[in-house]
Amino acid sequence: AQSVSQHNHHVILSEAASLELGCNYSYGGTVNLFWYVQYPGQHLQLLLKYFSGDPLVKGIKGFEAEFIKSKFSFNLRKPSVQWSDTAEYFCAVYVGGTYKYIFGTGTRLKVLA
Amino acid sequence: GAVVSQHPSRVICKSGTSVKIECRSLDFQATTMFWYRQFPKQSLMLMATSNEGSKATYEQGVEKDKFLINHASLTLSTLTVTSAHPEDSSFYICSARREGRGTEAFFGQGTRLTVV
Repeated sequence: AQSVSQHNHHVILSEAASLELGCNYSYGGTVNLFWYVQYPGQHLQLLLKYFSGDPLVKGIKGFEAEFIKSKFSFNLRKPSVQWSDTAEYFCAVYVGGTYKYIFGTGTRLKVLA
Repeated sequence: GAVVSQHPSRVICKSGTSVKIECRSLDFQATTMFWYRQFPKQSLMLMATSNEGSKATYEQGVEKDKFLINHASLTLSTLTVTSAHPEDSSFYICSARREGRGTEAFFGQGTRLTVV
């Protein structure tokens, strides 16, 4: 069965520190990859997505992610985090042909001012 | 554009009663909507896929008679938790796909259900 794993459940960083959140998926076919963010009390919002082409994807708010097909990974990065990045981050995979999105368990990021 | 609204955001009900949660796509037509359940510190678990005008497709292990899904129009899907029990307490989230926007999903704000 398809699955998505996020390795870090809780991350605490100081402002200006660099961030990398890991995401690995298990599915050998065509996938679309997403990172969503959920700020406290708000909807899930799309940070960035990968469908095809350049494996380095840039999203909103300075986030980027790199798709490495050989590693089945789609890690999220940000060079310098801000206090306002405190949120929960979810990696998700859309499995082609099934109309299904499979989510990782999420990573709670806390950025200390 | 592409706003999905979920109502109510919080609900407390007594054990044995039924609760209906609405999911509306406000500015687009959603032929497909998804219902998820999220337990504390766990992932969003897909419960069912709802297609307008047809029966929902439930994931394995989800009781279709307990979680009734209706997708009567292109902008509205409802989830009814029937005969709710405390173990049904959870966070329920809906999402919708918008035609022409590829596979990106748009999410409602979620509903926190507490059964007492």
